[in-house]
Amino acid sequence: DVKVTQSSRYLVKRTGEKVFLECVQDMDHENMFWYRQDPGLGLRLIYFSYDVKMKEKGDIPEGYSVSREKKERFSLILESASTNQTSMYLCASSFKGLGLAGAKYEQYFGPGTRLTVT
Amino acid sequence: GEDVEQSLFLSVREGDSSVINCTYTDSSSTYLYWYKQEPGAGLQLLTYIFSNMDMKQDQRLTVLLNKKDKHLSLRIADTQTGDSAIYFCAERGGYNKLIFGAGTRLAVHP
Repeated sequence: DVKVTQSSRYLVKRTGEKVFLECVQDMDHENMFWYRQDPGLGLRLIYFSYDVKMKEKGDIPEGYSVSREKKERFSLILESASTNQTSMYLCASSFKGLGLAGAKYEQYFGPGTRLTVT
Repeated sequence: GEDVEQSLFLSVREGDSSVINCTYTDSSSTYLYWYKQEPGAGLQLLTYIFSNMDMKQDQRLTVLLNKKDKHLSLRIADTQTGDSAIYFCAERGGYNKLIFGAGTRLAVHP
């Protein structure tokens, strides 16, 4: 079974704090993704990585950075947390290529981290 | 640009069929997906359809794809309370990203 784990289910931080969200996958996936999920907005892509030390901005990268030093681990960093970053953060991973079946590109999700910034 | 739209809420009676609709904009999408999110959990792939197919059936699930209208639907037959969840439609975008809709919250009542 593919497993994507996230370091915390719930996190409460103060405005201005530096926040690290960790994600680990055990399936040797090349691609890893960070999303935030807000009611009525669905999932919005913050950053993704297609290889170690590689990163690409998603749709809403402002206020975030990422780190991928090892293939299995992808970290999301909030340099100075703000109240508008209160959200559910979801990590996902997938293989890079397409097979005959679309499911080869399936993204596997972690359980999410609900971050509250006060 | 790429965009996926779906209605936010659907309420059905237990035992009835549910139909969740989605429209997308990228006509070059090769795969389209339905993900399910149960309360307090991450997303799980429910089913997917390749763009050269019109229909795919998997037990109680039927996916219909109208490429001309860029319309995707998910039908759940004999809807049960355990089907209560948020359902996300997604299309494959550039750089192997997935573009998600806002999610449809399905409520099943007795």
